[in-house]
Amino acid sequence: EAGVTQFPSHSVIEKGQTVTLRCDPISGHDNLYWYRRVMGKEIKFLLHFVKESKQDESGMPNNRFLAERTGGTYSTLKVQPAELEDSGVYFCASSQRLGTGIGNIQYFGAGTRLSVL
Amino acid sequence: GENVEQHPSTLSVQEGDSAVIKCTYSDSASNYFPWYKQELGKRPQLIIDIRSNVGEKKDQRIAVTLNKTAKHFSLHITETQPEDSAVYFCAAPKDSGYSTLTFGKGTMLLVSP
Repeated sequence: EAGVTQFPSHSVIEKGQTVTLRCDPISGHDNLYWYRRVMGKEIKFLLHFVKESKQDESGMPNNRFLAERTGGTYSTLKVQPAELEDSGVYFCASSQRLGTGIGNIQYFGAGTRLSVL
Repeated sequence: GENVEQHPSTLSVQEGDSAVIKCTYSDSASNYFPWYKQELGKRPQLIIDIRSNVGEKKDQRIAVTLNKTAKHFSLHITETQPEDSAVYFCAAPKDSGYSTLTFGKGTMLLVSP
């Protein structure tokens, strides 16, 4: 079974440019999450999709970040325009349909390392 | 919202020793506590989790304990090996729906041969 895949693995851009990250979740997983880890700090939640709907976007830093999941399959996270503080590793995770009393095991991708210069 | 504190930030042990990583959480309604291991350059992987209806869970050399009264949970690794070297993250649900996770800051474990 293919795991969660993310593309690109590394992106280096200049301040002010636009970058789009892509995440392909495990097939059949309704839930898709975006997280970010700034160097040496915790993995911080950004956004949660259930199928194509945004369930929780309370972690999105500001309106320079736009996430989409058209058709409820893969998701993209666009940063426009990128700022220096956006540098970090962006992780995507997916999980199956949630249910009462069922633990939510999240499977992570390898992440996209974004460097904004 | 949930707040998760994790200690220590770094931990160095000799091969064969035990390692313990501790986390505290703030939301008494939290009921699911996973631990993830991230090796250098690789993805975070779930290694063990515990639900609030049990106080301890073991899987070979790894165990997790949960104290709901004190709102803390710990990861115990016995007979450590160099391949245990990695960053370990604890987490708790952001809300009661088992959904989004709030992570600790991570513990870098280094096991020396």
